[in-house]
Amino acid sequence: DSGVTQTPKHLITATGQRVTLRCSPRSGDLSVYWYQQSLDQGLQFLIQYYNGEERAKGNILERFSAQQFPDLHSELNLSSLELGDSALYFCASRSGVNQPQHFGDGTRLSIL
Amino acid sequence: GQNIDQPTEMTATEGAIVQINCTYQTSGFNGLFWYQQHAGEAPTFLSYNVLDGLEEKGRFSSFLSRSKGYSYLLLKELQMKDSASYLCAVSGYSTLTFGKGTMLLVSP
Repeated sequence: DSGVTQTPKHLITATGQRVTLRCSPRSGDLSVYWYQQSLDQGLQFLIQYYNGEERAKGNILERFSAQQFPDLHSELNLSSLELGDSALYFCASRSGVNQPQHFGDGTRLSIL
Repeated sequence: GQNIDQPTEMTATEGAIVQINCTYQTSGFNGLFWYQQHAGEAPTFLSYNVLDGLEEKGRFSSFLSRSKGYSYLLLKELQMKDSASYLCAVSGYSTLTFGKGTMLLVSP
């Protein structure tokens, strides 16, 4: 158990819809990272938050947005969903720059 | 930016030793991580190198040469449960860039 909690585990929805993925980091970790993993792509970094503020952005589409709340949990919002958005979405947290990121179990998103 | 290369697939036999290589080109370097990922599961942390040399952790060891932009993960006494994808990840100041992973298949 990494200590990072993601909900829901599975999500099935239709094209054009909007979903919200939730992540609670390990106790004490201020940094939260979001990744997308498709079958033919590796782990693609989407966005990082640190103590409520956006810290770094990766290959995140404009249709996607995220935020980190005062209690440090984070949400990733995906809108106008397309078939290609079907993937595993992981959240990770870490306690410091030279520390490993610890991953949640992921949310498997399927777009029908 | 970061560019990370590792072999796509490797096969090995139970009980053997396997070395998974990773080369990288980076504009900023703050260490290199190795993760293990079983299909459909979360990546789990294996090792971290920030200085040149070998780090040993039980059956797993990791080596780094910063001047060559090169690392390897060495797995000894392979077990069937070691069949998984192994991800090399280079750390910038605050983010990790992952390679596409090396799928290791361990056969009896």
